[in-house]
Amino acid sequence: AQKVTQAQTEISVVEKEDVTLDCVYETRDTTYYLFWYKQPPSGELVFLIRRNSFDEQNEISGRYSWNFQKSTSSFNFTITASQVVDSAVYFCALSGNTGTASKLTFGTGTRLQVTL
Amino acid sequence: KAGVTQTPRYLIKTRGQQVTLSCSPISGHRSVSWYQQTPGQGLQFLFEYFSETQRNKGNFPGRFSGRQFSNSRSEMNVSTLELGDSALYLCASSPRGAGGLYEQYFGPGTRLTVT
Repeated sequence: AQKVTQAQTEISVVEKEDVTLDCVYETRDTTYYLFWYKQPPSGELVFLIRRNSFDEQNEISGRYSWNFQKSTSSFNFTITASQVVDSAVYFCALSGNTGTASKLTFGTGTRLQVTL
Repeated sequence: KAGVTQTPRYLIKTRGQQVTLSCSPISGHRSVSWYQQTPGQGLQFLFEYFSETQRNKGNFPGRFSGRQFSNSRSEMNVSTLELGDSALYLCASSPRGAGGLYEQYFGPGTRLTVT
């Protein structure tokens, strides 16, 4: 069975602070895919990034960066210099490659509140 | 390119009734998945359709069903509604049916309230 754990339920930061959202996953698949989605108050899930299990290269995209470590089954997400518009619920998700390929298993989400 | 559209956006139904929700995927996308989001259970996978065939199904009772049309539009139906079916129902489309190889793009959701 696949499982995604986001231990942080809610994080509050002041604008311009850096914040890291943690994600730990469990899967028996040898090939799998990890995702981060953002859900603003409007409710629509917005795709942020996808990572393949065979690609541990970390990435920086503007103020966002991701740290994927297979050894610890973690896929953490960092926002640098946070802004009020970053306030949302962030979900980490996992999909496998056989049988469960079309199914996303989501974590419980981390609510990020950025204040002035 | 237009995003995923879902209709209606809000719906109020009574226990025992049935409901049909509609989803139009992004043009060219052939895979459509449905998810239920509730405060208690979070985001849970319902089912996925690809080329009019159900390819994967989550752990939901048979009251939840769906279908996909030749133009990739999809509908999901919930019969004999229960209070616990109150949720945000999200539809997602993907360009190919290869699951994780391609990210899923979500619509704004249909918020269903069962009274």
